Amino acid sequence: AAGVIQSPRHLIKEKRETATLKCYPIPRHDTVYWYQQGPGQDPQFLISFYEKMQSDKGSIPDRFSAQQFSDYHSELNMSSLELGDSALYFCASSLGPGQGGEQFFGPGTRLTVL
Amino acid sequence: GNSVTQMEGPVTLSEEAFLTINCTYTATGYPSLFWYVQYPGEGLQLLLKATKADDKGSNKGFEATYRKETTSFHLEKGSVQVSDSAVYFCALILLGSQGNLIFGKGTKLSVKP
Repeated sequence: AAGVIQSPRHLIKEKRETATLKCYPIPRHDTVYWYQQGPGQDPQFLISFYEKMQSDKGSIPDRFSAQQFSDYHSELNMSSLELGDSALYFCASSLGPGQGGEQFFGPGTRLTVL
Repeated sequence: GNSVTQMEGPVTLSEEAFLTINCTYTATGYPSLFWYVQYPGEGLQLLLKATKADDKGSNKGFEATYRKETTSFHLEKGSVQVSDSAVYFCALILLGSQGNLIFGKGTKLSVKP
């Protein structure tokens, strides 16, 4: 069965550079969530989209932005990168938002900021 | 605020031992409760869930019961295997939210042969 695809799987950037992370949800899933997991930490919710509109916002820094496109894939854009942005970034997709739809997670993108 | 508290690890057990990982939550309303598992180098996988009080979620020999009176959702397995070694996260979704998960800190389980 198709799963959530994230690219790239690994990314190394310098401080103050920009990065773009991509997420391709499971076919027919209309909802995408982004989470950030620091080393040894629990995943923290960043932002979510439903039907190409932002549906909820968590602890996403102002330096980050995201969108969901017409084919439902999503991109997380990160600018002015800081050392503290080094983390594993997960994308999850579901059929519909809210409590009902099970979230399926991608393998994550490991971002290292030097 | 809304939060999940789970027992700190790491937890080290011998194969076939009994496993309990405690999880309690604080939430407004009645959340849905989840256990996710993260194997080394992989993403999160849903292990089991429960959406209302007294529901029992179960999968692959793991069980957890939604206890409203104690605001708990403890994970149990009667006989662990080496392949169960992973990090386990307890999580909730608030009633009426857009579905974002609120996670506990995770508990690392190591099972020795």
